[in-house]
Amino acid sequence: QQPVQSPQAVILREGEDAVINCSSSKALYSVHWYRQKHGEAPVFLMILLKGGEQKGHDKISASFNEKKQQSSLYLTASQLSYSGTYFCGTEKVDGGATNKLIFGTGTLLAVQP
Amino acid sequence: EAQVTQNPRYLITVTGKKLTVTCSQNMNHEYMSWYRQDPGLGLRQIYYSMNVEVTDKGDVPEGYKVSRKEKRNFPLILESPSPNQTSLYFCASSLRPYSYNEQFFGPGTRLTVL
Repeated sequence: QQPVQSPQAVILREGEDAVINCSSSKALYSVHWYRQKHGEAPVFLMILLKGGEQKGHDKISASFNEKKQQSSLYLTASQLSYSGTYFCGTEKVDGGATNKLIFGTGTLLAVQP
Repeated sequence: EAQVTQNPRYLITVTGKKLTVTCSQNMNHEYMSWYRQDPGLGLRQIYYSMNVEVTDKGDVPEGYKVSRKEKRNFPLILESPSPNQTSLYFCASSLRPYSYNEQFFGPGTRLTVL
């Protein structure tokens, strides 16, 4: 079952902040975040494992609430280079950590000057 | 340069004509996977491989075959392609088949089946 991402699309001005959410109906072992620019392959951003830790990568950070089976990606002071489609990939807790991900349908982020 | 390569990058074929999309990685990764990407559906896993000779179905395996005879290669085979297999295909690999390993994606293969 695919995780649900929201919003489906968001348009920002440079310098504005955005939050992308990822929700699952299943208990999760991990959440992965990837960004895909138009016409390119997805590129890894970060992984969050069970434990609820928050991670950061430059001005992009994420949190994982395993009780709510949700993860959020925070983009602070957005730059033009942040534009792209963001995917969360979730891994269910069902027999071990296998890196078998189920990806959401993506959130299209457009940052305008 | 560490990378995942796919060939061909673009392919137009006809219904029923067997084809193979190759995937190769030079990072000595254990885990490899195939995804298809369709508008509005995101990335869906077709097959994955935990190591040489170990493969398993993903979420949408119907109509596809894979093999993993060597660690670096993981070809995707369409025995009898149909128009509903028109899609953008990505191969990915990670060092270990565990959750804390990032996946590296190939450049993609755009397949059109007429």
